[in-house]
Amino acid sequence: AQSVAQPEDQVNVAEGNPLTVKCTYSVSGNPYLFWYVQYPNRGLQFLLKYITGDNLVKGSYGFEAEFNKSQTSFHLKKPSALVSDSALYFCAVRRMFSGGYNKLIFGAGTRLAVHP
Amino acid sequence: EAGVAQSPRYKIIEKRQSVAFWCNPISGHATLYWYQQILGQGPKLLIQFQNNGVVDDSQLPKDRFSAERLKGVDSTLKIQPAKLEDSAVYLCASSSNNLAGENTGELFFGEGSRLTVL
Repeated sequence: AQSVAQPEDQVNVAEGNPLTVKCTYSVSGNPYLFWYVQYPNRGLQFLLKYITGDNLVKGSYGFEAEFNKSQTSFHLKKPSALVSDSALYFCAVRRMFSGGYNKLIFGAGTRLAVHP
Repeated sequence: EAGVAQSPRYKIIEKRQSVAFWCNPISGHATLYWYQQILGQGPKLLIQFQNNGVVDDSQLPKDRFSAERLKGVDSTLKIQPAKLEDSAVYLCASSSNNLAGENTGELFFGEGSRLTVL
């Protein structure tokens, strides 16, 4: 079954340092992969997606993600973290169903804490 | 552009009572989703509508949960009777289709309705 795994419950990083939030996927065929962010008491917001093409995908708020087929990974990165980046981050994969519809399967989430 | 609207934002009820949540998606979005997010977990899809038809309700506890999307616009999710384990945030989301008629996968979420069952 198509799924994603986020191996870290929490990531701590100092402001100004680079950050990485990890995601691995398990899919058959070509994956459609997504990152979403959730700030406290808010709904999820779309950050970026990978469908095809360049393995490095750029998204909102200076985030980017690197698709690595050989390692089945889609890690989220940012060169210089901000305190305001502190939030919950979800990786997701789009799963196709017969009948032409699809749905997103979310990982458990990783809490990013950026310290001043 | 107005976002996805949800109400109420917070609801506290006792077990065995009923509750209803309302969602108004972004105008023109064909697909509407209800997710359940339990504290510390990722969102779990309860039901997905394409216009006013259900395309996936495989994880909806149908003995107590129901949802409808009359006229293919706004939607209501009902829980009756509620259990303690239903305490969660209920997220509504919507998405549009691309020119090929495929769901884009980019979901726009509302701020959620937080349910506490005592």
